[in-house]
Amino acid sequence: QQQVKQSPQSLIVQKGGISIINCAYENTAFDYFPWYQQFPGKGPALLIAIRPDVSEKKEGRFTISFNKSAKQFSLHIMDSQPGDSATYFCAAIFSGGSNYKLTFGKGTLLTVNP
Amino acid sequence: DVKVTQSSRYLVKRTGEKVFLECVQDMDHENMFWYRQDPGLGLRLIYFSYDVKMKEKGDIPEGYSVSREKKERFSLILESASTNQTSMYLCASSLVNPHNEQFFGPGTRLTVL
Repeated sequence: QQQVKQSPQSLIVQKGGISIINCAYENTAFDYFPWYQQFPGKGPALLIAIRPDVSEKKEGRFTISFNKSAKQFSLHIMDSQPGDSATYFCAAIFSGGSNYKLTFGKGTLLTVNP
Repeated sequence: DVKVTQSSRYLVKRTGEKVFLECVQDMDHENMFWYRQDPGLGLRLIYFSYDVKMKEKGDIPEGYSVSREKKERFSLILESASTNQTSMYLCASSLVNPHNEQFFGPGTRLTVL
C-alpha cells in the first residue's frame, strides 16, 4: 500500500520554465511534509517542508502548495535552472508519540535543459 | 556541518555471505535510519533506531537486522545476502523531533552475485 503517490516519474523542462511535481497522500494523520533533493552520487538533502495548517510556503525559487482537503501537495520550481536537475522526493511524516513514521514518494527525475 | 559517513561506497558480495554496512554520524543525533533505494521504488525504510540498543522495523525489514551499540554508530546486517538485496543503501540521522531534517550519507552500492 503506497501511502504517498508522486508524479510524474520524470520531467523535462527548459531553462527558465516552471517545474511542477505533485504528491498525494492517504493518511490524514500525517503532520509534516518535507521535500528532499538528490543529486547523482549523493544522498538526499532537505529542500523545503510544510505543515498541513499552511497552504503555501516559499523559499527562493521553490514553493510548496498544500491542499489539505484534497490531500495533495506540490513542489513548484520557478525559473528552473540546469543546476536544479536532480531527483526530487516528497515525503510525509506521522509523529504520534513514539510511533514515528516517514514515508517517501517514489521520486521524480527532473532534467532542466539549457 | 552534520556529517554522516558510510563505510563503503561500493561493495560486492556473494550469495549467502554475511554483510555488514556501517554508518557513523558526528552530530550526536538520537535517530538513525537505514533505507534502500531502487529505481522506480524510491526510498524504503528498512529499520530505524531512536536510541542506543533501540530499534524499530520499517517497511521492509525482512532479511535484515541492525545493531546500535553506540549513539553515533548504526549497523545494517544482511544475515545471508541474496541477489534481490542488490541495491543502494542509504543511512540517515536526525535529532529526536520527527520534524527535524534527516541528514543522509552518500550511500553504499551493494552488489550481491
